[in-house]
Amino acid sequence: DAGVTQSPTHLIKTRGQQVTLRCSPKSGHDTVSWYQQALGQGPQFIFQYYEEEERQRGNFPDRFSGHQFPNYSSELNVNALWLGDSALYLCASSLALDSPLHFGNGTRLTVT
Amino acid sequence: QKEVEQNSGPLSVPEGAIASLNCTYSDRGSQSFFWYRQYSGKSPELIMFIYSNGDKEDGRFTAQLNKASQYVSLLIRDSQPSDSATYLCAVRSGNTPLVFGKGTRLSVIA
Repeated sequence: DAGVTQSPTHLIKTRGQQVTLRCSPKSGHDTVSWYQQALGQGPQFIFQYYEEEERQRGNFPDRFSGHQFPNYSSELNVNALWLGDSALYLCASSLALDSPLHFGNGTRLTVT
Repeated sequence: QKEVEQNSGPLSVPEGAIASLNCTYSDRGSQSFFWYRQYSGKSPELIMFIYSNGDKEDGRFTAQLNKASQYVSLLIRDSQPSDSATYLCAVRSGNTPLVFGKGTRLSVIA
């Protein structure tokens, strides 16, 4: 039973560029959440997708956008990258909106 | 602003001892409480969750919840060097997003 999978594992981008991160939820899970974790900090909620719609959003600018596909997989897009966007980006899936989250291995994004 | 507070540590305990990790939260409406373990450079791994006041045990781990005091803790019995990691406390009310603390770094000394 595959858990949450994320790609790529690592990514290096230049300031101003755009990036797309991908996530496949755990089998049977239909809800996907994205978190950003800066070094030494706890994960910060970006947004959550359910039934292909953004259901909740954290305090992140519009440069951060996402999508959920009919097979429940999801993408996180970040435009006009800043140095401060360098972080570990975590995708988590759950059985339902109020169920425990299960995290993927994350994508380490470095913006230079 | 919902907040979850944890002592950043490091908390150092000898092998075989009980490690006690604490967390306080600001939102009185919080209903679900989670503990995640995160090894350096890795993603958070769910250890336990608790919804009701009292204790919940799973193997060497015990979660304790006191809603009146807005306090949740994690006890790790017979601590092993492999338990050395950062432990994240996370809190949620209803369907709202999970709010994480900054984590407590635990070091188990052999």
